[in-house]
Amino acid sequence: QVQLQESGPGLVKPSETLSLTCTVSGDSVGSGSYSWSWIRQSPGQGLEWIGNINNRGSTKYNASLKSRVTISLDTSKNHFSLKLTSVTAADTAVYYCARVYSGATVWIDYWGHGTLVTVSS
Amino acid sequence: SYVLTQPPSLSVALGKTASITCGGNNIGDKSVHWYQQKPGQAPVVVIFYDTDRPSEIPERFSGSNSGNTATLTISRVEAGDEADYYCQVSDISSDLVFGGGTKVTVL
Repeated sequence: QVQLQESGPGLVKPSETLSLTCTVSGDSVGSGSYSWSWIRQSPGQGLEWIGNINNRGSTKYNASLKSRVTISLDTSKNHFSLKLTSVTAADTAVYYCARVYSGATVWIDYWGHGTLVTVSS
Repeated sequence: SYVLTQPPSLSVALGKTASITCGGNNIGDKSVHWYQQKPGQAPVVVIFYDTDRPSEIPERFSGSNSGNTATLTISRVEAGDEADYYCQVSDISSDLVFGGGTKVTVL
């Protein structure tokens, strides 16, 4: 059974950098037909895709966040990470990491439980 | 970028059928995936590739996709089906595009 667990600070100050890590068990982030993704959900709102990274470290980002986002892979620790710079209150959200099946189309088969990140001074 | 349109809410009586739509330009040419999200929980896929269902999802959940509309149908609705439902496609510019979500209320 694949499991994903987000970790990182629950409170970030405005203008600082949000950093989260997703630790994966039951699969290897460096192999297979899967990519790894970050998705967020602002309070009371819908799902917003942030970006993906594949097993070779190639990334794709949401155009609206691209200038502030970096997703990286650490195969030795079997985890992947998210950095979002220059955060504002609008970045307050539950952040989910997920495994993405990347075939002819792309969809999510496993999600982490999510972690709430609040941007506030 | 590609846009998916869902009705914000839908009410359905216990035991009846709920049909949740997801509109998009020629969405019938894409594969559509559906997620159920209950309060305080992460989403769970209920339909993938338009019509396929994970083994743990009841047969009451089914999907279709044609033209400009994809539909998630929940037959014999139960109280436990009350949740938010999101459609999702992939697009050349964005790996994952989500609809705005539909809140299903069971009466």
